[in-house]
This record gives sequence, structure tokens and C-alpha cells, in this order.
Amino acid sequence: EAQVTQNPRYLITVTGKKLTVTCSQNMNHEYMSWYRQDPGLGLRQIYYSMNVEVTDKGDVPEGYKVSRKEKRNFPLILESPSPNQTSLYFCASTQRGSYNEQFFGPGTRLTVL
Amino acid sequence: LAKTTQPISMDSYEGQEVNITCSHNNIATNDYITWYQQFPSQGPRFIIQGYKTKVTNEVASLFIPADRKSSTLSLPRVSLSDTAVYYCLVGVPGYSSASKIIFGSGTRLSIRP
Repeated sequence: EAQVTQNPRYLITVTGKKLTVTCSQNMNHEYMSWYRQDPGLGLRQIYYSMNVEVTDKGDVPEGYKVSRKEKRNFPLILESPSPNQTSLYFCASTQRGSYNEQFFGPGTRLTVL
Repeated sequence: LAKTTQPISMDSYEGQEVNITCSHNNIATNDYITWYQQFPSQGPRFIIQGYKTKVTNEVASLFIPADRKSSTLSLPRVSLSDTAVYYCLVGVPGYSSASKIIFGSGTRLSIRP
């Protein structure tokens, strides 16, 4: 089944404790992206990657890192999480080209205390 | 990147046709128009995409006038399960100048019995 998976689905952590949210897709998509969603602010892009070893900042990259060592994986790293990073996070992937049919993961709800 | 403007919310009744319009005055020549649907705590789901004129699939129709400065998502005979937030996006992921994706605020559609 074609899908995007994220882990963990729920996470409660404390300020400053490094964490990684994994994202994996099995569709051989080149383009992958991370979003955060907050009430009243909609979905905002954090980082995206157009291919292996190619990443770039989205609209809200501060406090986040990503890596793209393999085509299928695109982990989101919070080196020193803060309470303002409490949010619902989505990973998405799509084939590069003319189409914007992004496939989204199920989401990761992160709470930073 | 083209900014999009949509109504914040809309209400309708089961069995009615619902039309949601999106304005994108600064759309670029290469940009496609894509609509997504999102239910609470789930990732957005692709509904339909088009470049010009009319596109129809099993779920919806998309009407795009000749100047492409707006588009209208048409949902025929809505049901309670169509209650969701609908996002209009303009862009083409994977091209260097337009690889950022910007979701607008979306339109919260509420369907009543």
C-alpha cells in the first residue's frame, strides 16, 4: 500500500531534550516536506527536500533540522525543543514535476513542556 | 509564490451543490491549482488539480477562468461527511523557483442535515 508513515504519532517531552520525528514513504517520491499545523495558522511548511541530499527552508524553519540521506526517509530533528514547538506535524511526499498531489502522513502530535 | 484568498467558512445542507472560490491574482504561468481536503487531526488529502478551464473527477469539479486569477471547487450533492477544511494551493513542487508550498487559511465547510 502506498503510504507515508510517521513516528511517533504522539510525543510529550520537555524543553531542551533533543528529539527526532521520522518520516518514510514507499512511493519512490523525490519531493518530501514537513509542515506544522497550529490553530488559526493553518499549515506552514518547515523544510522541504527535492531529492537526496537536497534540502531547503520553508516558511518556518527556525528550531528545526532535517536530513535526506535516503530517498524514502526525511527525519525532522528538534535539537532543543521549546514550548512554542508544540504542534501537530505532518510529513508529505510527492513526485517532482507538474503535479502537486502530495501524500500526507498521519501526523505527529508533539507537546513540549 | 502566488498567494491565495478563500472564504474563512461556508455552511450548506446535505444534497446541495457547494462552490468554494479561491483568488490567486499573482498566479504564474507554470503554476497549477490544487485543492485539498482536511478532516480534524488528519493530513490533507488531494482532491483535484487543474491548469485551465474545467477538470472533473469522481469527487469534484474545478473551474478555472481564462485569466486563471481565480478558481472554483464544486462539490456536487454534499453529505455530512464533506464537513472539512478545504485548501486551495497554487504552485508546482519540484521546480526551483516554486518549490515552497504555501497553504492558505482554508475554508471551513460545515454541512447540516
